[in-house]
Amino acid sequence: SYELTQPPSVSASPGETAKITCSGDALAKHYSSWYQQKAGQAPVLVIYKDSERPSGIPERFSGSSSGTTVTLTVTGVQAEDEADYYCQSADSTYSHQVFGGGTELTVL
Amino acid sequence: EVRLVESGGGLVQPGGSLRLSCAASGFTVRNNYMSWVRRAPGKGLESVSVIFSGGDTYYGESVKGRFTISRDNVKNTLHLQMNSLKPEDTAMYYCARGSVVVSAQYYFDSWGQGTQVTVSS
Repeated sequence: SYELTQPPSVSASPGETAKITCSGDALAKHYSSWYQQKAGQAPVLVIYKDSERPSGIPERFSGSSSGTTVTLTVTGVQAEDEADYYCQSADSTYSHQVFGGGTELTVL
Repeated sequence: EVRLVESGGGLVQPGGSLRLSCAASGFTVRNNYMSWVRRAPGKGLESVSVIFSGGDTYYGESVKGRFTISRDNVKNTLHLQMNSLKPEDTAMYYCARGSVVVSAQYYFDSWGQGTQVTVSS
């Protein structure tokens, strides 16, 4: 089955830049999305189509793509950004969507 | 405003059944790609079932043959019938609406708050 690989955890101090990567073979030809999930809350879309930001999402969240790796960047991390982050893309057969294992962002 | 409200979760014994519902407002379920996504304790998000606007369905390997996704076009509601439940099905279940990026590629732009399913004796 198709998999997307993320680091289990990333940490950053307030004001620093945090980068979360997601790798998978199909990312070279499929678009990716990113979701933020805070404790006890539903996931929230923060990036779609690799780098597009939905309305209402702060500009400090950005996305990029290079080959088989996509990256979510949080520039100027704030305490409220502490959450789990998941990448998502279509599987190789386009039958469903696959999520990465998730990355816990800790704000020191 | 788009809104999704799940219901139907609860505590059930192994081998039992539950039917989850997701009431939608602000858009028409039958015209959209809809999914049930779960998050088990200590684990990540997993898309367990999908229904395309045309009616085709998909099930993850872990639930195939046990879960059935459907929609009620009159009530604008998405359902997930879960049979032969196992302890490993314990999770928060979310319904989510998919928006197309390009053909057959989607992202989930709206999520419900979830309904908890616990399978335990």
